Amino acid sequence: GAGVSQSPRYKVTKRGQDVALRCDPISGHVSLYWYRQALGQGPEFLTYFNYEAQQDKSGLPNDRFSAERPEGSISTLTIQRTEQRDSAMYRCASSLARDTEAFFGQGTRLTVV
Amino acid sequence: GENVEQHPSTLSVQEGDSAVIKCTYSDSASNYFPWYKQELGKRPQLIIDIRSNVGEKKDQRIAVTLNKTAKHFSLHITETQPEDSAVYFCAARWGGTYKYIFGTGTRLKVLA
Repeated sequence: GAGVSQSPRYKVTKRGQDVALRCDPISGHVSLYWYRQALGQGPEFLTYFNYEAQQDKSGLPNDRFSAERPEGSISTLTIQRTEQRDSAMYRCASSLARDTEAFFGQGTRLTVV
Repeated sequence: GENVEQHPSTLSVQEGDSAVIKCTYSDSASNYFPWYKQELGKRPQLIIDIRSNVGEKKDQRIAVTLNKTAKHFSLHITETQPEDSAVYFCAARWGGTYKYIFGTGTRLKVLA
């Protein structure tokens, strides 16, 4: 596709449920990032993949959060046993290589009720 | 810690005036500094970036300067227009890693 695509755009889930957020990076981009953005704040780093390898997961808040990119393309961010504090915009970004500019997707707005 | 400070948090300028946003980073190994513009309800869009081997970069009305010694970098917008109104984020790619640490954002309002 022309840009980074994320789905769903909006997700409302009940507290305690698991959610899976999907990111489809720009074709050919080897680096993929997940960020979380609270309203009025800058993006907060969660995790980074180079191809299929998760090279940095230092930003994942706790062990309820996990991410994978099994074939080096599409990535899934999974949040288990969601809590209200998980409500935020989750953004994916990709870059052609590790040291080139990153392009953001439109995000998934997660609301935990 | 991993921190990028950004000032000011809000900035109002008259159309045609210049706007300057400043960021400070703490990791001397950081080597790449992008700036993103985010309009309401939209994704952050890269507008300009600079690498640590360059002191200044310009693209039409937008310029970025970098002072590695002081660990400062700044965004300069000249001849501002109403469509420049948005939230601007600076970021630093953290040395030794490939993650970006973002500033807290500057809400720029250009008054017609």
